[in-house]
Amino acid sequence: GENVEQHPSTLSVQEGDSAVIKCTYSDSASNYFPWYKQELGKGPQLIIDIRSNVGEKKDQRIAVTLNKTAKHFSLHITETQPEDSAVYFCAASSARQLTFGSGTQLTVLP
Amino acid sequence: EPEVTQTPSHQVTQMGQEVILRCVPISNHLYFYWYRQILGQKVEFLVSFYNNEISEKSEIFDDQFSVERPDGSNFTLKIRSTKLEDSAMYFCASSGLRRLRDTGELFFGEGSRLTVL
Repeated sequence: GENVEQHPSTLSVQEGDSAVIKCTYSDSASNYFPWYKQELGKGPQLIIDIRSNVGEKKDQRIAVTLNKTAKHFSLHITETQPEDSAVYFCAASSARQLTFGSGTQLTVLP
Repeated sequence: EPEVTQTPSHQVTQMGQEVILRCVPISNHLYFYWYRQILGQKVEFLVSFYNNEISEKSEIFDDQFSVERPDGSNFTLKIRSTKLEDSAMYFCASSGLRRLRDTGELFFGEGSRLTVL
């Protein structure tokens, strides 16, 4: 089955700096790669996703890149704000089953 | 905005007791899921449900677990005889896409925290 590795497990940045979280996956059949933000006590919320026929996608301060050959994808958050502080999960999907990474606790310091 | 709702938000039970967690998926969605998250760990897939039957399940989803869509709106997860290691946050999710080979956005509920004593 699919295995998703996520790094780093914790990340602290100064407000206004960029944050980058990286994930690798194992199943070459995976074709959908969402990123979720989870705030304390809440369910995961989709913030951006990318499909395997696209190399990069951007939505305001958030961007995701995908390298299918290397089987890795990354989340980039620019101009970070304190409200970006949360746990971020990457995921990969094949056959409609999402496999999550282990999560990154992002802390944006004011 | 439509959302997935889950009840209860927190349940405490004794080991060996049966627990039913309830979910109301988004009304026009076709695919339903249960995931769980042990405290501080990753979100893990349990089961997916489509067209009134299980379409996929993980190794975690053993004979102690079952799912049901008893009416047109609710989607339930039952744990027959709870164990200490079942303590976790259980998330229901739903998705609307028709094409089986496509995965669309999963909308997650707020979760039900299960504590087994």
